[in-house]
Amino acid sequence: GAVVSQHPSRVICKSGTSVKIECRSLDFQATTMFWYRQFPKQSLMLMATSNEGSKATYEQGVEKDKFLINHASLTLSTLTVTSAHPEDSSFYICSAIDTYNEQFFGPGTRLTVL
Amino acid sequence: GENVEQHPSTLSVQEGDSAVIKCTYSDSASNYFPWYKQELGKRPQLIIDIRSNVGEKKDQRIAVTLNKTAKHFSLHITETQPEDSAVYFCAATLSSGSARQLTFGSGTQLTVLP
Repeated sequence: GAVVSQHPSRVICKSGTSVKIECRSLDFQATTMFWYRQFPKQSLMLMATSNEGSKATYEQGVEKDKFLINHASLTLSTLTVTSAHPEDSSFYICSAIDTYNEQFFGPGTRLTVL
Repeated sequence: GENVEQHPSTLSVQEGDSAVIKCTYSDSASNYFPWYKQELGKRPQLIIDIRSNVGEKKDQRIAVTLNKTAKHFSLHITETQPEDSAVYFCAATLSSGSARQLTFGSGTQLTVLP
């Protein structure tokens, strides 16, 4: 099946710094990628839909100025958590849609903000 | 928008017994219902899915049933094994020409006791 990677897998940063997470579709092109956040023992919550070459669509309650999304190519979307705070600590997962409209998840990025 | 409810939140069964997880959805237009298995700290893995034109689908020890009229669908795992222990999520979406945006249930922690 299709492979989606994320980098880094884990990141620890100080409060106030920015963190960039990359999501790549390794063997297929993805015009659409999704970004999810998952708190411990909770479900995946959709944050935003990332479309190649256009602005991301954010879900209600997600601050677009805090969570910057850039989908610069058909294989790469990035999520930047700006001015991170401890409450931003979470598991961030991306997914990518292939041409058959199948969704493949990345392995996730564990963000810890001190 | 779509709302998916999932029950139970935790489920413990003896090895060899069956496990059933149930979900309901709100949007009658939803037509695609995947189930994911997620182990701690890892990505969700698609284990089975069903489309609205089918009432039941089976894959070895796993089956899913769908009742469109009642808007609920269920995951059935037979002959459970310890390696089935994980969190299971149901999801629902309208699968059309555009990218498939999933709405997840809250998850079920399944524990299979040896």
